This record gives sequence, C-alpha cells and structure tokens, in this order.
Amino acid sequence: NAGVTQTPKFQVLKTGQSMTLQCAQDMNHEYMSWYRQDPGMGLRLIHYSVGAGITDQGEVPNGYNVSRSTTEDFPLRLLSAAPSQTSVYFCASTLRGGDEKLFFGSGTQLSVL
Amino acid sequence: DAKTTQPPSMDCAEGRAANLPCNHSTISGNEYVYWYRQIHSQGPQYIIHGLKNNETNEMASLIITEDRKSSTLILPHATLRDTAVYYCIVRPLYGNKLVFGAGTILRVKS
Repeated sequence: NAGVTQTPKFQVLKTGQSMTLQCAQDMNHEYMSWYRQDPGMGLRLIHYSVGAGITDQGEVPNGYNVSRSTTEDFPLRLLSAAPSQTSVYFCASTLRGGDEKLFFGSGTQLSVL
Repeated sequence: DAKTTQPPSMDCAEGRAANLPCNHSTISGNEYVYWYRQIHSQGPQYIIHGLKNNETNEMASLIITEDRKSSTLILPHATLRDTAVYYCIVRPLYGNKLVFGAGTILRVKS
C-alpha cells in the first residue's frame, strides 16, 4: 500500500489563481480530512469527509471547497487563492471515524504571492 | 471536544526517559486520549491512544490518571530521532474532528 499520497509537494500561486490539491489513499478508508499548518502552529482542520458523497466543515473552511466522489480521493480546491492561504497542507485518512488512528500524507507546501 | 494543555517545550537527555504531560481536565467519559508526533516538516505520526487504562506499545507508554483529567506520554529511552512536536488530543469515540493544539516541542540532547 502507498498509504496517503498528496500532490503536488510544492506549489506557488499568484493571488486570485485557482488550483486543486490532490489527496488519494489506497487503504479503503472511509474517513478523510484536510489540515493546514502555519509556521509555529499546530494543525487546523479545514474540511473532512466520513464517506463518499459526504463532507463537512472543520475549524477553518473559508476559501476552500471539497468533494468526495470516490472513497479513494478527496481533493481540496482553492477557488481564488489569497496570501493568507500560504501554508503547509496535510491530508489524512482513517478507516472510519471514532477509535482509529489517522494516517497522514507528506504534505503540500503552498505559497501564494 | 475537550481542550488540552501541554507545556510548550521540554528537553531530555539521550537515553533517558522522556515524560510528556498533558492536562485535559474537562474530558468526557466517552473521549479518548490520543498522542501524535510531528518530526520537522513531515506529516504527524500516530503514537498511542487510550480511554482509561494505561497503554503500552512498541513506541511509548501512556499513563492516564484515575480521574482521567491528565495523562503522561512516556518514551522510555529517548533518542535524537525522537526530537519532534508531540500533540495530545482528546476525541469522542465516534467523533470526526481530530483537533490539534500547539503541542510540546521535545528536544532530545546528547
């Protein structure tokens, strides 16, 4: 198993551009989530999904869209990037909600100029 | 979800036990205590979790007080590679939001 795969690893955008951060897992996990991490801070939950077709907001959802059309994929979309979205983004998954450990991807470092 | 309080940083000598405390005084009966760590620029890594009994695995031990208001993560023989940020999190049994705080920076020194 590859685990949780995030692409790209690095991305530079200009203000107002749009892009999609990709996240895929091959462990048949129902639960997937996106976090952002700013320098010197812990991770903040952006959006999460408990299964295909179901998504919900986390702590900091503004400026981000998600969808979950398949169990394997959970892309994060920035419709109009802003400098405040410069951050490291982590995708995570687990078999299902509850008493399960999260598996994290290696992260995407995004800079918005 | 219950809040957690951790010291911002700790130092530990290589080869000695590292004891990382966490306060979760408002924890509910159905909330588990989880520990993760994040080595510089990598994704967080699961370490251990428990409800009310002490737990041990190949990485660490978790000691939860009888009233469940605090816990301690123990790395029995810390190495330089254990230098990381350690996060203590409480989460309901069927909760979907795993919320991270600022964590404790553990520096293992030779």
